[in-house]
Amino acid sequence: ETGVTQSPTHLIKTRGQQVTLRCSSQSGHNTVSWYQQALGQGPQFIFQYYREEENGRGNFPPRFSGLQFPNYSSELNVNALELDDSALYLCASSRGLAGTDTQYFGPGTRLTVL
Amino acid sequence: AQTVTQSQPEMSVQEAETVTLSCTYDTSESDYYLFWYKQPPSRQMILVIRQEAYKQQNATENRFSVNFQKAAKSFSLKISDSQLGDAAMYFCAYRSTNDYKLSFGAGTTVTVRA
Repeated sequence: ETGVTQSPTHLIKTRGQQVTLRCSSQSGHNTVSWYQQALGQGPQFIFQYYREEENGRGNFPPRFSGLQFPNYSSELNVNALELDDSALYLCASSRGLAGTDTQYFGPGTRLTVL
Repeated sequence: AQTVTQSQPEMSVQEAETVTLSCTYDTSESDYYLFWYKQPPSRQMILVIRQEAYKQQNATENRFSVNFQKAAKSFSLKISDSQLGDAAMYFCAYRSTNDYKLSFGAGTTVTVRA
């Protein structure tokens, strides 16, 4: 196990609702990245937080937003859920932003939108 | 934008045999990082091996080794002496030195036959 935890494990929502996913980073890590993994596909980068600031964003609409807290844990919020938001949401933490800083992944939250 | 292509959706290997997974990528940059991640069923994604583009020597981690061909933009993974625990989805990923996100391929499912 990597030491990165995510909650909840599974979640079922209906279209139009809002959801919050949580991630606790590994001890000593100040960077958290969020990825969306649709069934049978590779993860797609949503955004990254470094020391409580958003550090980069992928091609996701503004209804995907996030936070990082002083203890470096993080939340991913998705508003106005759509059916296509159904996916495994992964967070990954790393010690910093250097290329040699490995991203350690959590087990993911499986979101189903009905 | 960087594109990572894994052309083999599935590969099957006999226990104790060797299997090679293919990955190609598209980039205009000269310095970057390449990764292979393993995602077992219902388990966390873990880093298998990493290659820095400026290093000519191919990375090796125990039974896992890569064949990095920079000019051809190819980065294959060889799993030697395959074990039942190697069964998983394997993802090739790219990271620029100027960016912090990982760009993943679509993955290759590896099945190990006893």
